[in-house]
Amino acid sequence: QQQVKQSPQSLIVQKGGISIINCAYENTAFDYFPWYQQFPGKGPALLIAIRPDVSEKKEGRFTISFNKSAKQFSLHIMDSQPGDSATYFCAARRISSGSARQLTFGSGTQLTVLP
Amino acid sequence: DGGITQSPKYLFRKEGQNVTLSCEQNLNHDAMYWYRQDPGQGLRLIYYSQIVNDFQKGDIAEGYSVSREKKESFPLTVTSAQKNPTAFYLCASSAGQLSSGNTIYFGEGSWLTVV
Repeated sequence: QQQVKQSPQSLIVQKGGISIINCAYENTAFDYFPWYQQFPGKGPALLIAIRPDVSEKKEGRFTISFNKSAKQFSLHIMDSQPGDSATYFCAARRISSGSARQLTFGSGTQLTVLP
Repeated sequence: DGGITQSPKYLFRKEGQNVTLSCEQNLNHDAMYWYRQDPGQGLRLIYYSQIVNDFQKGDIAEGYSVSREKKESFPLTVTSAQKNPTAFYLCASSAGQLSSGNTIYFGEGSWLTVV
């Protein structure tokens, strides 16, 4: 049962363009929303994260927009570069048994930035 | 360098065999996790451990087993009961329960192929 839905599955953008990846969730018990970047053959690395009491967070060229009422959040990559080509995962933190907060991941978006 | 070391990077298993994937961290983290990554399905939690000698099942624990005898080590055994074990396995750790101040760090993963 997938609780975080991510789209699109793949995305191709020209260098300098804006990349937009969307995620939607159903469980209102989620309280923290990170994005991870994964290069081929490597483990994911935290890129940027947001809490639901904030509508937007920006770090350099990366921005998260959060819409609590719609239960949606998105990653925007401004001035996309070929080095941004990677797989991006959204995630949501939930409280599981024993009060251990765990992450539920989206299915991933493979971003290709053309030179 | 501090980090998470997974071994082997590539592993081939024959039908009916058990195999063990190693995960070692020198980050002094209390919590450790095992995720499975399949194309188009994102990361799914297999097992997690918040403290030595304690671990909990994740979303897809059937056919897997773990142990946590030492803080720095969290090996995963893929048993013959796991019907579709071919996947990319990721070990991760965090300083404590996942919170806005505790980031989850991933190893570089292990590829398991059943032949």
